[in-house]
Amino acid sequence: DTEVTQTPKHLVMGMTNKKSLKCEQHMGHRAMYWYKQKAKKPPELMFVYSYEKLSINESVPSRFSPECPNSSLLNLHLHALQPEDSALYLCASSHQERYEQYFGPGTRLTVT
Amino acid sequence: GENVEQHPSTLSVQEGDSAVIKCTYSDSASNYFPWYKQELGKRPQLIIDIRSNVGEKKDQRIAVTLNKTAKHFSLHITETQPEDSAVYFCAAREINAGGTSYGKLTFGQGTILTVHP
Repeated sequence: DTEVTQTPKHLVMGMTNKKSLKCEQHMGHRAMYWYKQKAKKPPELMFVYSYEKLSINESVPSRFSPECPNSSLLNLHLHALQPEDSALYLCASSHQERYEQYFGPGTRLTVT
Repeated sequence: GENVEQHPSTLSVQEGDSAVIKCTYSDSASNYFPWYKQELGKRPQLIIDIRSNVGEKKDQRIAVTLNKTAKHFSLHITETQPEDSAVYFCAAREINAGGTSYGKLTFGQGTILTVHP
């Protein structure tokens, strides 16, 4: 398996909801990333996990909570989001942090 | 932190022509420069990359050049085809104070390439 997969593809949630995004890879990569991409903008890094430990948090609001249960899985827990958090959330992985990153298809999130 | 500027923001060419997209970066310690292609509604796809110990890299119709002194790198696409139409992002990977990479990519603002048949 040479792909990064993400579920769900689309998510609509209210500002009081709690939801989670899931990312999975079976390439043996030990670094995983969450990015946020607004329309017509580049991806912006949110979090980096290296060997299942959080190594970078780009000052992301606490309403976004990442979790790395094992080396293949990365979650992003969402709570009390704002409409401006609506975006495409991309997961990526790499062999280690110094190697090339491969992106998943993303979850398109709409906060109402 | 790193800052990456990308030009042009839009580029329109005729099929068969060449296309060149340029990026500059601010942190001379950055050592890895990938290029991603993103079609509408799709994931960013890594198309080519270059490391700071190399000046040029080529893969079929795509090439990337790096000038470390001037801190700029460029993507060259030859014999463009309509399926090359997409948004192209350059990026630079930062090095931390200890001299190792912690995986952070800083992206340019993107170039919308349109190839007309």
